[in-house]
Amino acid sequence: KAGVTQTPRYLIKTRGQQVTLSCSPISGHRSVSWYQQTPGQGLQFLFEYFSETQRNKGNFPGRFSGRQFSNSRSEMNVSTLELGDSALYLCASSIQQGAGFEQYFGPGTRLTVT
Amino acid sequence: AQSVTQLDSQVPVFEEAPVELRCNYSSSVSVYLFWYVQYPNQGLQLLLKYLSGSTLVKGINGFEAEFNKSQTSFHLRKPSVHISDTAEYFCAVSDQPRLSGSARQLTFGSGTQLTVLP
Repeated sequence: KAGVTQTPRYLIKTRGQQVTLSCSPISGHRSVSWYQQTPGQGLQFLFEYFSETQRNKGNFPGRFSGRQFSNSRSEMNVSTLELGDSALYLCASSIQQGAGFEQYFGPGTRLTVT
Repeated sequence: AQSVTQLDSQVPVFEEAPVELRCNYSSSVSVYLFWYVQYPNQGLQLLLKYLSGSTLVKGINGFEAEFNKSQTSFHLRKPSVHISDTAEYFCAVSDQPRLSGSARQLTFGSGTQLTVLP
C-alpha cells in the first residue's frame, strides 16, 4: 500500500498570504489528523477529520482550518500568514487496531513564511 | 489534560552499546502509548505501540519498550545500536476513549536526539 502523501513538500509564502496544503491518506483510512512541528513548540495537534467531519481541534487560531473530502483526502488552509506559521506540517492517517489505533505520518510540507 | 516528558533531549552513545530513552506521561485516564522516529527532513515513523495486553512491546529495528503503569513510564530500549539509529525519537500518548469511534489525538513529548558514535 502507498503511504500517506502530502503536497507540496516545500512552500515559500509571504506574510499576509494564504496557503493550502494537501494530504492523501493510506487507502482505507478514514481518519486524517494534522500536526504542526516547530523547533520551539515541538509537535502540536491541529485537528482531526473523520468521514468529512472535524472530530477534534487543537488550540490554534481560526486562521487555521481544514476539510476532508468524500475520498478521505484532506486539505488544511492557513489564512493571513504570520512569520510564526513557518513550520513542518505533518498529516497522519489512522486505522483502528482492536480497541486502539495506529497513526501513520506523511513526509510533511515545509512552509516558510517570509 | 495529558502531558509527556522526555527526560533527555540528547543521548550520545557508542555503536553497539545499549541505549534507553526515557518517557514519562501524565493522564487522568487509561492511555495508549507510542514511540515514533524521525530522520532528517522526513515525517514520523511508528516504532512501536502499547494499546493493551503485555506491558513489554517489541517494535521495528530491534527496539522494545515497557509500559509501567505505576511509574507512568514507557521507556524505549535497544540492546545494541547502529549508526543508522541516529535520529530524533518521540514518545506520544493518547487517551483511551470511552466510546468507540472517538477522536484520535496524539500528545507528543519534546523529543530525544539519539546520536550513535562510531
